[in-house]
Amino acid sequence: GAVVSQHPSWVICKSGTSVKIECRSLDFQATTMFWYRQFPKQSLMLMATSNEGSKATYEQGVEKDKFLINHASLTLSTLTVTSAHPEDSSFYICSARDWGGGPRTDTQYFGPGTRLTVL
Amino acid sequence: GENVGLHLPTLSVQEGDNSIINCAYSNSASDYFIWYKQESGKGPQFIIDIRSNMDKRQGQRVTVLLNKTVKHLSLQIAATQPGDSAVYFCAENTGGFKTIFGAGTRLFVKA
Repeated sequence: GAVVSQHPSWVICKSGTSVKIECRSLDFQATTMFWYRQFPKQSLMLMATSNEGSKATYEQGVEKDKFLINHASLTLSTLTVTSAHPEDSSFYICSARDWGGGPRTDTQYFGPGTRLTVL
Repeated sequence: GENVGLHLPTLSVQEGDNSIINCAYSNSASDYFIWYKQESGKGPQFIIDIRSNMDKRQGQRVTVLLNKTVKHLSLQIAATQPGDSAVYFCAENTGGFKTIFGAGTRLFVKA
């Protein structure tokens, strides 16, 4: 099956620093990837849609200058949390849609998530 | 934001019993629905999906029912096992790219 990886799996950083999270589709091409944030005991909240070769589309209320998204290739999207603060501490999850034309082309495959802790 | 709650509702079942997890979705224009399972500290895992032109779909030990009239979705798990313990999310897709998650239900299976 389709595999999506994230790196790092967890990161601890100091307040004011920036953190980059990578999302890779390992065995398929993904023209579109998605970034979610999940706080403890809550659901996944869509932050933005990452489109290969173009600007990301952000959901209402998500600061695009704070959460920088780059989708430079068909298998890699990155999320950079700039000037991180303790309230940015969360579980960040990416997903990728497989447009391979198979029977489950609408299926999103999720990465394992990245736990960010800002001190 | 959407689907934000203070805590997740919990369903507790005995091992071997059937589980039914319910979900109310918000957008009557949604045409594709998915159930995901999320274990602690991991990303969501696809379980089963259903399109709006169907009202029932069966998988291995799981069945999804869709009632578009009342915008309700349910996941039935047969012969629930301890390994089924997790948080279950329904998600809806509105004919485009975005998938929006519901609030989630924590399933606890008692051995």
